[in-house]
Parts: sequence; structure tokens; C-alpha cells
Amino acid sequence: AQSVSQHNHHVILSEAASLELGCNYSYGGTVNLFWYVQYPGQHLQLLLKYFSGDPLVKGIKGFEAEFIKSKFSFNLRKPSVQWSDTAEYFCAVNARGGSYIPTFGRGTSLIVHP
Amino acid sequence: DAGVTQSPTHLIKTRGQQVTLRCSPKSGHDTVSWYQQALGQGPQFIFQYYEEEERQRGNFPDRFSGHQFPNYSSELNVNALLLGDSALYLCASSRDRVGYEQYFGPGTRLTVT
Repeated sequence: AQSVSQHNHHVILSEAASLELGCNYSYGGTVNLFWYVQYPGQHLQLLLKYFSGDPLVKGIKGFEAEFIKSKFSFNLRKPSVQWSDTAEYFCAVNARGGSYIPTFGRGTSLIVHP
Repeated sequence: DAGVTQSPTHLIKTRGQQVTLRCSPKSGHDTVSWYQQALGQGPQFIFQYYEEEERQRGNFPDRFSGHQFPNYSSELNVNALLLGDSALYLCASSRDRVGYEQYFGPGTRLTVT
């Protein structure tokens, strides 16, 4: 079974600061990787996903993530955050060729001060 | 195009009672998955329905059961409620059984007292 670790549980930044949220997974096979975002009072929505190909994936709202297979990592980045990026961020992984059921990390709460 | 909808939004129940939560998938989607999200945690997979059958199940007791209807909508039933069942229950739909990309509903907040 796969597992996901998000080491930063709470992150506080000022606007225009750069963001990097860590995500590491544990699984021996091929995986699909996701980042979801949950804005205050809103539903969980997909930010970006990686299935195959270029390990640098660009998502919505200026976010990107890089899949480093050797490190089992899929870190989320944004060069300059905005107050509107305040949200909960979840990394998820599913096993390709397996159940395809995603396993989520416990999430990172990001607060951006204006 | 309506996304995934869930009802009710909030629910308060007493220990030992039973509850039914409902979900309508996004238009064009035929697969529905249910998740439990405890406070401060990520969503945990409960089960998935496709073609009106439970196809996969997570590590949840039999008190958690579900159903999918011919129009692809789904229900989650929880019997003999425990305090620990208090959580946000999320429904997600996808277009195929593989579920590469899931669309989530707003959730039902269940409080058990």
C-alpha cells in the first residue's frame, strides 16, 4: 500500500514570498501524483497532476510541481504567493495498474499575510 | 454544468443513530467515491461505486455502507454512529472506473454527540 507524507503542516508567508511544500510518497511501483487545494469554505479541487512525461508539471494559478523519482517526492512550488493562496493543500498518490484509489497526505495549511 | 452536489450540508446526530448522506455526481460521470475527512487530516477513502456495485473499499467497518442508483447518484449510510464518526464526508465523481481525475463535492459535515 502507498503512503504520503507532507512534512509542513502549517506554513505562514507574506505576499510575494516563494512557496515550496514538501510531499514524499512511499510505494515501490509506478504512481500518479496529485496536488489538491481546499480554499476556505470551498470544496477540494485539483491543482495539478502528474501521470507521465515531463516531471515538471504546471498547474492552475501559477503553481508547479516537480516529480523526482529517485527521491519519491512531488513538491509543490509557486514563485510568488498571493493572499488568495491561503488554503489547505493536499498531496495525493495512486498506484498505476493497481486500485487507482488515491491516498492523501494530511495536508498543509498555508496562510498568506497581505 | 453542475458539479458534484451533496446533501445535507450539515447534520447533527446522536450516538447509536443511523445517517444517510447523498451525492449527485458531475454530469457525465459514472463513478462515485466516498471519503471521510477528520479534522486536521486528509481525506480517507471509504468505498467506490461503479455500475451500481461497490467496486473497492477502504479500511472502514461494515457500519459504513452505500448504494449507487441507475442515475449514478449515490448514498452513504452509517449505522450505530460513534463519536469518532464526526467528520466531513466527501463525495467525488469521475468519468471512468480508473478515476484518474476526481471532482469533489462540498462535503457533508457530520457531528455525532
